[in-house]
Amino acid sequence: LAKTTQPISMDSYEGQEVNITCSHNNIATNDYITWYQQFPSQGPRFIIQGYKTKVTNEVASLFIPADRKSSTLSLPRVSLSDTAVYYCLVGDTNAGKSTFGDGTTLTVKP
Amino acid sequence: SAVISQKPSRDICQRGTSLTIQCQVDSQVTMMFWYRQQPGQSLTLIATANQGSEATYESGFVIDKFPISRPNLTFSTLTVSNMSPEDSSIYLCSAAGQGAEKLFFGSGTQLSVL
Repeated sequence: LAKTTQPISMDSYEGQEVNITCSHNNIATNDYITWYQQFPSQGPRFIIQGYKTKVTNEVASLFIPADRKSSTLSLPRVSLSDTAVYYCLVGDTNAGKSTFGDGTTLTVKP
Repeated sequence: SAVISQKPSRDICQRGTSLTIQCQVDSQVTMMFWYRQQPGQSLTLIATANQGSEATYESGFVIDKFPISRPNLTFSTLTVSNMSPEDSSIYLCSAAGQGAEKLFFGSGTQLSVL
């Protein structure tokens, strides 16, 4: 299973762009990279998923370099409600094997 | 998408007893998983609940301690047996469709063992 490494915490201010990087040096060929957001007393919620290059949806962008050994979640113009723990998950859910990283606690300040 | 309902949402149990957590998905899903999350920590996969066969457990988790059932494609249970205070944690059910799709999670069951 690919091990992931993320910063433990990050601080930001409202309206700023936030980039959270996840390292996954041992990512396998079949592995996808998925990011989840978790608020207290709730289960994680899917944000975005990608395999390579760049993926963008209505809430975030995911940048994956050619070697796929890392990925960066980009949150544009964060608000106070984006304060949460963000997890980088690498794995193939088809095989039922996925590894959650330690998570990055993002605190958005006014 | 899938909506996952878990119950109970929380419970306080006595040492030596067992608790069964139920997980109901509003649509048929291929895979269901059970996770444990200690306070302030990440999620740890306990097992994959396989429909019609025995669950697949991760290292450090055994069937005698965490028996799992999955009678159909929308329902699963996790039992925490012979509980001790070390079992106090949040237990999360999740589900996924076929392929490398996103995981959906329930809100979790917060278990406290006295």
